[in-house]
Amino acid sequence: GAGVSQSPRYKVAKRGQDVALRCDPISGHVSLFWYQQALGQGPEFLTYFQNEAQLDKSGLPSDRFFAERPEGSVSTLKIQRTQQEDSAVYLCASSQVGGNTGELFFGEGSRLTVL
Amino acid sequence: EDQVTQSPEALRLQEGESSSLNCSYTVSGLRGLFWYRQDPGKGPEFLFTLYSAGEEKEKERLKATLTKKESFLHITAPKPEDSATYLCAVQAYQAGTALIFGKGTTLSVSS
Repeated sequence: GAGVSQSPRYKVAKRGQDVALRCDPISGHVSLFWYQQALGQGPEFLTYFQNEAQLDKSGLPSDRFFAERPEGSVSTLKIQRTQQEDSAVYLCASSQVGGNTGELFFGEGSRLTVL
Repeated sequence: EDQVTQSPEALRLQEGESSSLNCSYTVSGLRGLFWYRQDPGKGPEFLFTLYSAGEEKEKERLKATLTKKESFLHITAPKPEDSATYLCAVQAYQAGTALIFGKGTTLSVSS
């Protein structure tokens, strides 16, 4: 597609449920990032992939968060045993070049609400 | 600790009323400073990259400038379609690939 595609756009989960958020980056983009944006805040870095390799996961807030990009294209962010503080918009971004770039193409995000 | 502070939090302008948004940053070794625009319900859209003090970039009614401690986004004769949240982000050499974002300035331009 022309842009970064994320699904689902909206997800409501009960506390304790597992969720999976999908990201389809722009075709051919090497780098893929996940960010978390709470209401009224700027995005916060979660993790970075270069092709299929997860090179930086320093922003993942706990071991309940897990991301993968097995074939170097589509990525999934999984959150286990969701908590209310996980409620946020999860943004995926991609870039044609390696990770040392700030020129990212963002998707519209997946809004997660944990009840 | 690397951080980014944007001011004001919100700004209301009349169409044609020029103004500036501020982004102050503290970072241990600046790799780059970036401006993004975010419309409600959308992801951020890249606007500019600035690498060194004194650098300027322009696009339509927007001009971004950079000093050693802050960046300004100047908006000349804004139009209602310029209404959005403007985000500033920095990338530090020691922080790897992560962008550190400010909270943004929400701009409203009325006709």
